[in-house]
Amino acid sequence: EIVLTQSPGTLYLSPGERATLSCRASQSVSGSYLAWYQQKIGQAPRLLIYGASSRAAGIPDRFSGSGSGTDFTLTISRLEPEDFAVYHCQQYGSSPWTFGQGTKVEIK
Amino acid sequence: EVQLVESGGGLVQPGGSLRLSCAASGFTFSGYWMSWVRQAPGKGLEWVANIKQDGSEEYYVDSVKGRFTISRDNAKNSLSLQMNSLRAEDTAVYYCARSKSSSWHAPFDPWGQGTPVTVSS
Repeated sequence: EIVLTQSPGTLYLSPGERATLSCRASQSVSGSYLAWYQQKIGQAPRLLIYGASSRAAGIPDRFSGSGSGTDFTLTISRLEPEDFAVYHCQQYGSSPWTFGQGTKVEIK
Repeated sequence: EVQLVESGGGLVQPGGSLRLSCAASGFTFSGYWMSWVRQAPGKGLEWVANIKQDGSEEYYVDSVKGRFTISRDNAKNSLSLQMNSLRAEDTAVYYCARSKSSSWHAPFDPWGQGTPVTVSS
């Protein structure tokens, strides 16, 4: 099973700042089958990024994903008020599909 | 509009059973892998099970193997999760999720709103 470790656990930032979230895998994620989801309180997760770097439909271009192998990054170029949420990474290259523990982006 | 609506959650005693359902609409249900994903209170997400388009293949996370059964009815655009021998650690919100594409290797998109399951005496 591939274990995904996200860091930091919580990121304290102000609107307009840049957010950089990390997701590290215990072994290489085949095919760069790595996704990022955003989850707000009381809501279901929403797909942001898939294939490590492709934005899902309707996702603003301030969200970008990068990385390959075992190291992946989600970057939010300029935080908007609605971006303060929890972000999860997930690999779907090797069964069982696994998620990271999440990174919470909080207002400083 | 693509929509997934779960139902069937509730309070159940340890050792008991519960059946979750997910009603799908707005897309060709028989064309996609479907999954159940859960989230324990204050915790991260955990993939539970998935099922192939025609129901011929099913996969489970180790912790539910032999206790949970995923199934689908393509004629009724419906996904189910039969949960038996429930334990306290199965307490979570259970989400129904569609694969983004018809491929085995696809992320989850979209997700239902979730149905809560509480296992407690």
